[in-house]
Amino acid sequence: QVVLVQSGSELREPGASVRLSCEASGDDLSDFIVHWLRQAPGQRLEWMAWINFDNGNTYSSPKFRSRVTVSRATSAITTYLHLGSLQSADTAVYFCARERGGTFISWGQGSQVTVSS
Amino acid sequence: DIEMTQSPDTLSASIGDRVTITCRASQTISPWLAWYQQKPGAAPKMLVHRVSRLETGVPSRFSGGGSGTDFTLTISSLQPDDFATYYCQQYNSYPLTFGPGTTVDLK
Repeated sequence: QVVLVQSGSELREPGASVRLSCEASGDDLSDFIVHWLRQAPGQRLEWMAWINFDNGNTYSSPKFRSRVTVSRATSAITTYLHLGSLQSADTAVYFCARERGGTFISWGQGSQVTVSS
Repeated sequence: DIEMTQSPDTLSASIGDRVTITCRASQTISPWLAWYQQKPGAAPKMLVHRVSRLETGVPSRFSGGGSGTDFTLTISSLQPDDFATYYCQQYNSYPLTFGPGTTVDLK
């Protein structure tokens, strides 16, 4: 079983950027793809991007491609989401989740990002 | 992008009721449809994948069905732990997309 633990809440002003982390632990970390998703208050889940831990390949939604970077740490099973040019519409809970065949079988606990002046 | 819709928005039901939630995709996605349950303040939990395959540990009162563009999630006998919001998700193509959710609450 894989456990994903995310970083804490963040408060940013409009125009700033934020970096969130997601650390994985468990006994089956091979062939590991992690996705980032978000959920604004009262809204549906929104898929943002994924990263393959084995080879570092990434892919992101066209909606976010110009201002999102997904990366991984080489020393640990940690992935990072960097989102720039934040606006109030980016206020949301951000989740990382492990993929299995296009679905999401393990989730982090979520990181609250609030964008406000 | 594939647009996902769900009905109803809210479903009020009693313990023991049979409830059905509908999900529709803007184009054919079979069999790449999953269902998730989410409770307030928590991450979603996958219940069903490939339209009708129950995830390990999910009670058998949950079942998924449908094909093409129209899908259902049925709870055969609603239990107290089932009051939550349910989302469908298509994974036929990127960007992966979710429905707006159906909240099941107590009548």
